Amino acid sequence: AQSVAQPEDQVNVAEGNPLTVKCTYSVSGNPYLFWYVQYPNRGLQFLLKYITGDNLVKGSYGFEAEFNKSQTSFHLKKPSALVSDSALYFCAVRDGYNNDMRFGAGTRLTVKP
Amino acid sequence: DVKVTQSSRYLVKRTGEKVFLECVQDMDHENMFWYRQDPGLGLRLIYFSYDVKMKEKGDIPEGYSVSREKKERFSLILESASTNQTSMYLCASSLRTSGRSYNEQFFGPGTRLTVL
Repeated sequence: AQSVAQPEDQVNVAEGNPLTVKCTYSVSGNPYLFWYVQYPNRGLQFLLKYITGDNLVKGSYGFEAEFNKSQTSFHLKKPSALVSDSALYFCAVRDGYNNDMRFGAGTRLTVKP
Repeated sequence: DVKVTQSSRYLVKRTGEKVFLECVQDMDHENMFWYRQDPGLGLRLIYFSYDVKMKEKGDIPEGYSVSREKKERFSLILESASTNQTSMYLCASSLRTSGRSYNEQFFGPGTRLTVL
């Protein structure tokens, strides 16, 4: 069965600094990986996904993620954080056989001015 | 844009009541999902459906049932609500996986259910 781990409950960065939100996964077969963001009192919004191809995936709002097969990781990154990036971030994984996904516990990102 | 709507943003029910949570999507998606979100636990899959009248159990189906009579609508039912079902409930939909098309899920705004 597929699973995801987000090792950090909370990440704090200063505005303008680069940010990284970590994610590791476990699947049978090829992984299909996703990042979502949740703003207060809102549903989840899709940011980006990795299916195949380039290991660096670019998504919405200037975010990108790097797929690393040997480390089974899919870390979310942004070169310069904004205060408005403060939110809850979820990593998710599915394998090639199922229609459902598994989500991590979430990482709360706080960007301070 | 895909729109997924949920019938209520906030709901308060009493223990033992039967509770219906409704979800409607307007993009003709085949797949629909119900999750609950709890602090520190992330999203946990309750049930999903990949076609009308079809349903599959997720990771935590106990105490819940679902109904999908029409493609656009997926209902979550708490047969006899209990206090441990107090949570945020999120509905999502996606296109069916076909070939190498692995499609992202689109989420509704959530229903915060409190069971007293």
